[in-house]
Amino acid sequence: EIVLTQSPGTLSLSSGERATLSCRASQSIDRSYLAWYQQKPGQAPRLLIYGASSRATGIPDRFSGSGSGTDFTLTISRLEPEDFAVYYCHQYDTSPVTFGQGTKLEIK
Amino acid sequence: QVQLQESGPGLVKSSETLSLMCSVSGGSIKSISHYWGWIRQPPGKGLEWIVTIYYSGSTYYNPSLRSRVTISVDTSNNQVSLNLRSATAADTAVYYCVRLSTTIFGPVDVWGPGTTVTVSS
Repeated sequence: EIVLTQSPGTLSLSSGERATLSCRASQSIDRSYLAWYQQKPGQAPRLLIYGASSRATGIPDRFSGSGSGTDFTLTISRLEPEDFAVYYCHQYDTSPVTFGQGTKLEIK
Repeated sequence: QVQLQESGPGLVKSSETLSLMCSVSGGSIKSISHYWGWIRQPPGKGLEWIVTIYYSGSTYYNPSLRSRVTISVDTSNNQVSLNLRSATAADTAVYYCVRLSTTIFGPVDVWGPGTTVTVSS
């Protein structure tokens, strides 16, 4: 099973700042089948990025994904108040699919 | 716009079967481009994939849950059902019905709002 390790566990930033979230895989995700989701309290997750770097429908362009192999990054270029949430990465290359443990992005 | 809605008992007794239904609206469950499945999230924890099904009936299970899980699809009623046998407290979670695009394992592009299931002794 591919283990996804997200860092940092918690990221404290202010609106307007740039956020960089990391997801490291225990083995290579060969087809870049890596997605990112945003989850707010009491809500279901929402797809942000798939295929490591493609934005999902309706996702603002301040969200971007990059990386390949074992190292992936979600970048939010300029934080808006609604961006403070928990973010999960997800590999769907190899069964069983797995998720990272999450990064909580909180207001500083 | 496809929407998913989970339903089922919020409380299940330990050792019994946890049964949930997902109703799909705004689109056909027989879409050739999509798969359907279940993901769960224990309180305060991360996400765990349970199972995926295609409308034809092909299924793909998380090996850790395979022995206890059954999934089925009702194309006439646009519904997907989940049964999890021999439930324990460790199965207490929010259960999400999901739609997967591109591959049998993801990404998940549509999520239901989730239903909370508590397994009590």
